Amino acid sequence: AQSVTQPDIHITVSEGASLELRCNYSYGATPYLFWYVQSPGQGLQLLLKYFSGDTLVQGIKGFEAEFKRSQSSFNLRKPSVHWSDAAEYFCAAITGGGNKLTFGTGTQLKVEL
Amino acid sequence: KAGVTQTPRYLIKTRGQQVTLSCSPISGHRSVSWYQQTPGQGLQFLFEYFSETQRNKGNFPGRFSGRQFSNSRSEMNVSTLELGDSALYLCASSPGQPDYEQYFGPGTRLTVT
Repeated sequence: AQSVTQPDIHITVSEGASLELRCNYSYGATPYLFWYVQSPGQGLQLLLKYFSGDTLVQGIKGFEAEFKRSQSSFNLRKPSVHWSDAAEYFCAAITGGGNKLTFGTGTQLKVEL
Repeated sequence: KAGVTQTPRYLIKTRGQQVTLSCSPISGHRSVSWYQQTPGQGLQFLFEYFSETQRNKGNFPGRFSGRQFSNSRSEMNVSTLELGDSALYLCASSPGQPDYEQYFGPGTRLTVT
């Protein structure tokens, strides 16, 4: 079955440290891939997306993600985390027609000051 | 442009009742998708409407239905509410093709008692 997996439910990092959130997908063909962020009580905000081409994509708020076909992964990274980055992060994928997003279970990021 | 708006933001209903939620997409967007977010099941796709036609449907019972109007505004209806329907319902709009990101509204928090 098509799925998106985020192995880490919770991650805690110190402010200023680097961050990597993992995402793996299971699809027959390469899907369109997305990372979203959700702050408490809010909707989802798109951080970045991958459709094709350059496997390193840049997003908003200093985030980037690298698509690795051989590992079926699309990990999100940030070189230096800020306290305001504390939120829940979702990896998502679309394949086929339409706009049906399949989400991972999310990773809750806590930032220690 | 104004963002995606959802009304109401909060709703409390009793088991057995029905409820209608509304979503106004970004001006010019023709696709509206609905998602249910719960702590146990995460983010799950309900359905997508494009130009007043349902284009995709998730795995939800027939109690969940939706429609889209000619101005692209969308409503979703849940009949015979169950306690398990308590969730954050998110609406997302996009121009219509998978290679455009979806913009999410703030959601409607539904509590069923």
